[in-house]
Amino acid sequence: DVKVTQSSRYLVKRTGEKVFLECVQDMDHENMFWYRQDPGLGLRLIYFSYDVKMKEKGDIPEGYSVSREKKERFSLILESASTNQTSMYLCASSSQPGQGATEAFFGQGTRLTVV
Amino acid sequence: QQQVKQSPQSLIVQKGGISIINCAYENTAFDYFPWYQQFPGKGPALLIAIRPDVSEKKEGRFTISFNKSAKQFSLHIMDSQPGDSATYFCAASMTGGFKTIFGAGTRLFVKA
Repeated sequence: DVKVTQSSRYLVKRTGEKVFLECVQDMDHENMFWYRQDPGLGLRLIYFSYDVKMKEKGDIPEGYSVSREKKERFSLILESASTNQTSMYLCASSSQPGQGATEAFFGQGTRLTVV
Repeated sequence: QQQVKQSPQSLIVQKGGISIINCAYENTAFDYFPWYQQFPGKGPALLIAIRPDVSEKKEGRFTISFNKSAKQFSLHIMDSQPGDSATYFCAASMTGGFKTIFGAGTRLFVKA
């Protein structure tokens, strides 16, 4: 069974803290993504990576950074957490588009609360 | 041009009824239109997808209808069941691209 695993289901952090969200996939996928999900706004792309050490900004990268040192692992970093970053964070992976766009596989999500 | 507009935001359907969720897009370069289903506490999972060379795709009780000229596509859930209660996202992406653009989501509640 294919898997995208996020390290935490729930996190509570204080304003100003540096926060690390970890994601691991076991499908040997080239592409990995970080989204945040907020009610009424759907899934918004924060960052994505199409190869090791490669990263691209998504639609809402401000306040975030990412790291991809190994193919299977993609980390999202909140440099200085703020209350407006309270959200559900979803990691996803997909294979190279190749002949056509392909399915994205999602982790179970991390619900982050910044107090 | 990158947006995917989804409606309604929420939907309540009687058991056995038909649930219909609509999406519209602008970018004619999109060529892959998936629907994802998300249950509470879980990540989204692919439900069904269509490419624009066909006007309809059916998998069990789930059907995608696709209107290329109107740049619209919709999900129909026949004989809706309480177990179908979830949030549904339409999406669009393109060959050679890395990004999937998601709609805002529809919360479906099927009453028993």
